[in-house]
Amino acid sequence: GAVVSQHPSWVICKSGTSVKIECRSLDFQATTMFWYRQFPKQSLMLMATSNEGSKATYEQGVEKDKFLINHASLTLSTLTVTSAHPEDSSFYICSARSTGTEAFFGQGTRLTVV
Amino acid sequence: DAKTTQPTSMDCAEGRAANLPCNHSTISGNEYVYWYRQIHSQGPQYIIHGLKNNETNEMASLIITEDRKSSTLILPHATLRDTAVYYCIVRGLTGGTSYGKLTFGQGTILTVHP
Repeated sequence: GAVVSQHPSWVICKSGTSVKIECRSLDFQATTMFWYRQFPKQSLMLMATSNEGSKATYEQGVEKDKFLINHASLTLSTLTVTSAHPEDSSFYICSARSTGTEAFFGQGTRLTVV
Repeated sequence: DAKTTQPTSMDCAEGRAANLPCNHSTISGNEYVYWYRQIHSQGPQYIIHGLKNNETNEMASLIITEDRKSSTLILPHATLRDTAVYYCIVRGLTGGTSYGKLTFGQGTILTVHP
């Protein structure tokens, strides 16, 4: 299957700072990328859907001003957690697809806010 | 997308077949059955999908009942590395910007033991 890479794999940041997570499709052009969040012992929850060149669509209850998503190119989407707080600590996972294909997942980013 | 029901957990001996059931009684005619798995602290991995015919690939087999209200994922010779959470997801292929969007339930925790 296609390869989707996330960076960093893990990050620790101080409360109140912002953190950027990158999601790259390495061998295909991703017209759509999805961002999920997973808390310990829970399932994945979709946060937002982003299409290249347009604004992201956020799921209900997800603050768009806190979780900034940019999908400026067909191979890169970024998720920025602004003014992070300990309750934002979670496992963030992206997936990417191109027209007519399945969605492939990145390896995830473990965010810890201290 | 139709809701699915899976057992919370299952055990399997190494080398034996693992049969993971999934109920999707409200599935509609244009919805596919997808299986993903998530090994601890990693992103989900695509396994297999099908519409109404049984499917087989290098990872697993998917058996879908004639009425399509349930399915079974079969790992023919389970290994310790198959220990993971297995997600059964029903999704339509209607296209549009949400194509590829997956709604994850709680899945089945499969533990393969020596």
